[in-house]
Parts: sequence; structure tokens; C-alpha cells
Amino acid sequence: DVVMTQSPLSLPVTLGQPASISCRSSQSLVYSDGNTYLHWIQQRPGQSPRRLIYRVSNRDSGVPDRFSGSGSGTDFTLKISRVEAEDVGVYYCIQATHLSFTFGPGTKVEIK
Amino acid sequence: EVQLVESGGGLVKPGGSLRLSCAASGFTFSNAWMGWVRQAPGKGLEWVGRIKSKTDGETTDYGAPVKGRFTISRDDSKDMLYLQMNSLKTEDTAVYYCTTEDLSWWGQGTLVTVTS
Repeated sequence: DVVMTQSPLSLPVTLGQPASISCRSSQSLVYSDGNTYLHWIQQRPGQSPRRLIYRVSNRDSGVPDRFSGSGSGTDFTLKISRVEAEDVGVYYCIQATHLSFTFGPGTKVEIK
Repeated sequence: EVQLVESGGGLVKPGGSLRLSCAASGFTFSNAWMGWVRQAPGKGLEWVGRIKSKTDGETTDYGAPVKGRFTISRDDSKDMLYLQMNSLKTEDTAVYYCTTEDLSWWGQGTLVTVTS
């Protein structure tokens, strides 16, 4: 299986400051159709997960534009331009290029 | 509005079986590839498996920890997704989420506890 790693695993952030989460895969996530199936999932405390970003850099409907995704191949990043209180939670990357799909371990974002 | 509502969770002994259901609404279920994701208490997310649409062969794929024990199926006439879990182990204890295969929609989850 493709191994997904994330760093940092814990991210204390000051409100209004930027945050960045790195996600790396053990092999390229470019699929045979040319797409890269790397998504970002947010899970707020006590809530079901929700998808934030799909295929590296596409924001889902209703996701604030302070969230952005970038990267290619095996190296990806989720950025929050200015952290707000509602952004507290755990963020996971997941690769859906290779079976079986695999999640990263999660990065816990908290307010300092 | 898309809704995925899981049911069927509960307490089961090791070696036992349980079937989870997911009622889908708000989209054309028969066209959708669907999946299950689980989360053990206090742990991260783990992909369980997926099922393609009937048009695409209704084939299934599973994560290694559940392969051979779990079976995903669907009933497009009822807009229902199922997860049949056999030979349950204590490590299968988790909240099980029904999702669209692309993870764009998630249910609220149902808790399965495997304990003697």
C-alpha cells in the first residue's frame, strides 16, 4: 500500500496567522488518466469528516478561500492563509490513486 | 440536499457478524460509486472499501485489514448501501462512515463495538 506521511502531526497556531501542513506519499499519485487523486479532509471536534480540497488544489463548495492546496507527484501542501477559530480540528490527506486508498495520520490544528 | 444515514451499529462479540446500512438521498444513487471509511476511538481515518456503480460492473475493493471478512453491496432500487462484517475482531471497533467514493459526502457514522 501507498504510505502517506504528514507533518507536523500537531500544529498550534495563533488566530489570524497562516498554517501549513505537508503530506508526502511513498509513490507518485499521478493516475493513468493524468489526474492526481490527492484530497484533504477536515474533521472538526465531534463532527463527521468533510472533504475540503479534491485533486490537489480544488476547493469544495462552501470551503473558504483561505484554504488552498498545492503540490504534485509525491509532495503536497495544505495552507490556511489566516487561521480562524472554526479551523480547529484534524486534517487528513488521502490518496485515491492507488488501491487500497490510504489516509495520512492526521495533523491536529489547535489555537495557541 | 445530499444525505447519507448509517444504521445497524452496536455491540457484538469477537467472531460475530453485523450488517451496516446506509440510506442515501439527494443524488442519483445508482450512478454513484460508494464507500465506507472507519475510525477507531481516538484514532485516524481508515479506508474500508468501495463499490462501483452497476453500470461500471458493481465491483468491490477492500483495504487489507478487512479483505475476506467484509462485503460491500448495494440495492439501487432502495438507494441503500450495505457493509456485511463477518469474523469480527476487537480491532474492528470503530465508527463506520458511509461516503461517496470520492469522499465528497459523509454520513454521521455508526459505532460498532466488538467486545467479549
